[in-house]
Order: sequence, then structure tokens, then C-alpha cells
Amino acid sequence: NAGVTQTPKFQVLKTGQSMTLQCAQDMNHNSMYWYRQDPGMGLRLIYYSASEGTTDKGEVPNGYNVSRLNKREFSLRLESAAPSQTSVYFCASRYQVNTEAFFGQGTRLTVV
Amino acid sequence: KQEVTQIPAALSVPEGENLVLNCSFTDSAIYNLQWFRQDPGKGLTSLLLIQSSQREQTSGRLNASLDKSSGRSTLYIAASQPGDSATYLCALTSGTYKYIFGTGTRLKVLA
Repeated sequence: NAGVTQTPKFQVLKTGQSMTLQCAQDMNHNSMYWYRQDPGMGLRLIYYSASEGTTDKGEVPNGYNVSRLNKREFSLRLESAAPSQTSVYFCASRYQVNTEAFFGQGTRLTVV
Repeated sequence: KQEVTQIPAALSVPEGENLVLNCSFTDSAIYNLQWFRQDPGKGLTSLLLIQSSQREQTSGRLNASLDKSSGRSTLYIAASQPGDSATYLCALTSGTYKYIFGTGTRLKVLA
């Protein structure tokens, strides 16, 4: 069982470059989430998709865009990367609001 | 705005102790609360999920309780072991289906 798969696992970008973080789940989950984790700050919600076709802002959406490509895939795009976006990014999914959430292994992004 | 707090930020205990980790939240209108474990450099592993209608959930040496009226959940770990060393995070669903995390408690169990 693959669960939640994130690609890439590691990435180094130069300031101003763009990139897309990919997330896919094979559990037929309806909701998907993107978080960033910084030292001492826990996980902060960037964007989420409650169901296919919908996306909403979380706590820290500035500098990011998302696409819910289909039920399986939810991508996070950095249009012009900044050093402040250096972080570990996690994708999560769950079937519905009252079920367990499952997480990917994370993408470690460094912006220089 | 829902705020989730975990105190203490770090905790060291000798092996064999029973311990309690705390998770506090400001808005009692929640759907559920989930406890996770995170090992250094790794992803999150789900431990327990408590629905808003439940008071507690148990899995092995772990017991999680939920008191919505006081805005608090606790994770009780019995007979702690060095392998329990990790960061423990709580997360809850409220309002517009957002899934919000606390800042975590870093636990070290000393052999």
C-alpha cells in the first residue's frame, strides 16, 4: 500500500525559481492538505481541499498556489521561491472529516 | 480563531514512568482530535483519533482523553520506554474543516 506519496523528497532552489511539489494518495480520500513544518512551530496549514474541485486557504497561504488535479492528486506550487519558504512540506489526506488523516514522508525544500 | 497549544514543549523522564502530555484548544466546537508521533526527520504516524462524542480512546499503552468543555485533551503513556522518545503532536478539526496542529511536545525517555 503506497498511502500518501510526495515527490520530490529533497529539493534546492535558487531565490526566484519556481517549482511544484506533488502529492498523490491511493486511498480514495476526499480531503487533502498541505502543511509546512519549521523548527519550534509545529505544522502550519498552507492550503487544503475538502473535496475534489474545491480548495481553501489555510493559516499561511501567501506565496503558494495549489491545484486539486483530480481526486488522487493535490499539488503545491511556489511561483517565485524565497528563503523564507525553506521548510519541510507535508501532504496529508483523509476520507472525510471524522476519519484518520494520513501523511506523506515530507519534502525538504531549501531556498538559497 | 482556533488555537492549539501543547505544554510542555519538551519533557525528559526516566524509563518506566507513566506520563501525561497535554493539548489545549480555544474553541470547543471541534469534530475530532487526533494524536500523532513524529520521529526525527520522519513523517507523522497516527496514534489515536477521538471523535467529539467520545471521552477517550485506548491503544496498548496509550490512552487519550477529550474534554471539550474545558478545551483539553491528554495523552497518557504508561510504563514509558526509550522507544517512545519522539515528538508528539495533536491536531483537531473545527469550523470550516481545517485541520490544525499544536506545536508539539518533544519527549525523551532515558534508559
